[in-house]
Amino acid sequence: NAGVTQTPKFQVLKTGQSMTLQCAQDMNHEYMSWYRQDPGMGLRLIHYSVGAGITDQGEVPNGYNVSRSTTEDFPLRLLSAAPSQTSVYFCASSYLTASSSYNSPLHFGNGTRLTVT
Amino acid sequence: GQQVMQIPQYQHVQEGEDFTTYCNSSTTLSNIQWYKQRPGGHPVFLIQLVKSGEVKKQKRLTFQFGEAKKNSSLHITATQTTDVGTYFCAGDQFYFGTGTSLTVIP
Repeated sequence: NAGVTQTPKFQVLKTGQSMTLQCAQDMNHEYMSWYRQDPGMGLRLIHYSVGAGITDQGEVPNGYNVSRSTTEDFPLRLLSAAPSQTSVYFCASSYLTASSSYNSPLHFGNGTRLTVT
Repeated sequence: GQQVMQIPQYQHVQEGEDFTTYCNSSTTLSNIQWYKQRPGGHPVFLIQLVKSGEVKKQKRLTFQFGEAKKNSSLHITATQTTDVGTYFCAGDQFYFGTGTSLTVIP
């Protein structure tokens, strides 16, 4: 199994450019999410999805769009890149559980390192 | 909004010394998960705690969940160079702490 696959691994953008970070998982996970990781800030949730056709905002959604047309794919779009979006981006997925107290572990991709100049 | 704070941010230890990282939530959690991220890598799930006061062990790692389900700790006994990395807690899967970066000096 490939698990969670993110592309590209590295990307350099100029301010104002747009791009899409790709994320695909082959584990039939219902839940998918995007995080950004910045020094001293931990992992901050950008957007998440609990199934195809359903998306919601996380802590830091501004400047990012997502869609979930299939169970497998959850792309993250930057419509007009800004230097503040320079970061490492992780996609993560998991099963959804019926339990209110237990969450299925997150499986992370290898990340995309994005630099906006 | 919900916040999960983690201390310390950095910790340098001599190989063989113990290490502890602490996680505190502003609200009561249903569960807490712990992840390890090796340098240049991605977070990898270690364990989940669900019950109030729960203690779980994985070899030299001991995880605790507070009685009020608002705090947690990870303790590593006799650190090894393979323990190097950043340890994150995550409350209710969504809310990650800021992480503790562990350096082990041989």
